[in-house]
Amino acid sequence: SYVVTQPPSVSVAPGETARITCGGNNIGSIRVHWYRQKPGQAPVLVVYDDYDRPSGIPERFSGSNSGNTATLTISRVEAGDEADYYCQVWDTSSDHWVFGTGTKVTVL
Amino acid sequence: DVQLVESGGGLVKPGESLRLSCAASGFTISSYTMNWVRQAPGKGLEWVSSITSSSSYIYYADSLKGRFTISRDNFKNSLFLQMNSLRAEDTAVYYCARSLRITNHFDYWGRGALVTVSS
Repeated sequence: SYVVTQPPSVSVAPGETARITCGGNNIGSIRVHWYRQKPGQAPVLVVYDDYDRPSGIPERFSGSNSGNTATLTISRVEAGDEADYYCQVWDTSSDHWVFGTGTKVTVL
Repeated sequence: DVQLVESGGGLVKPGESLRLSCAASGFTISSYTMNWVRQAPGKGLEWVSSITSSSSYIYYADSLKGRFTISRDNFKNSLFLQMNSLRAEDTAVYYCARSLRITNHFDYWGRGALVTVSS
């Protein structure tokens, strides 16, 4: 089955830019979705279809996807962005959803 | 407002069964694919199962090995997950989530139901 990998953690100072990667074989050819999950809460969609944002998600959240890496970028990071972030893809070879391993974003 | 509320979680012994429900409000589930995702304590998200709007297509994670059954009642606007032969490794918070189509993102999630399997 398709495997996607994320770095376990990313640390960033307030006001700086956080980049969270999601790696997979030719992932640029499939759509990637991103979720934010704060402790004790359900996941929330922050980017879908590689770079689209749901209503209510700030423009500071952006996405890109090319080659073997998809990236979620959080600009002007705020303390409230501290959370776990997961990427998600649909594996067409198995007809299964696959979540990345998750990345914990820490705001210094 | 769109709401998804899971219920039916609890503490069960290994080998026992449990049925989770997910009640939807603020929209009609008959127009959506519905999904279950679980998260073991301290672990990441794991997709469990998906069912298309008219139940024509159903998908399961391989790890379930036929022990779980997803179903829906569009008239009751509800989604279900029948879990049999439960194991300790099934201990998790179970979330229901909706998506427009089977390959679309999950735009709304419930708050989850905790299932604990322990002797």
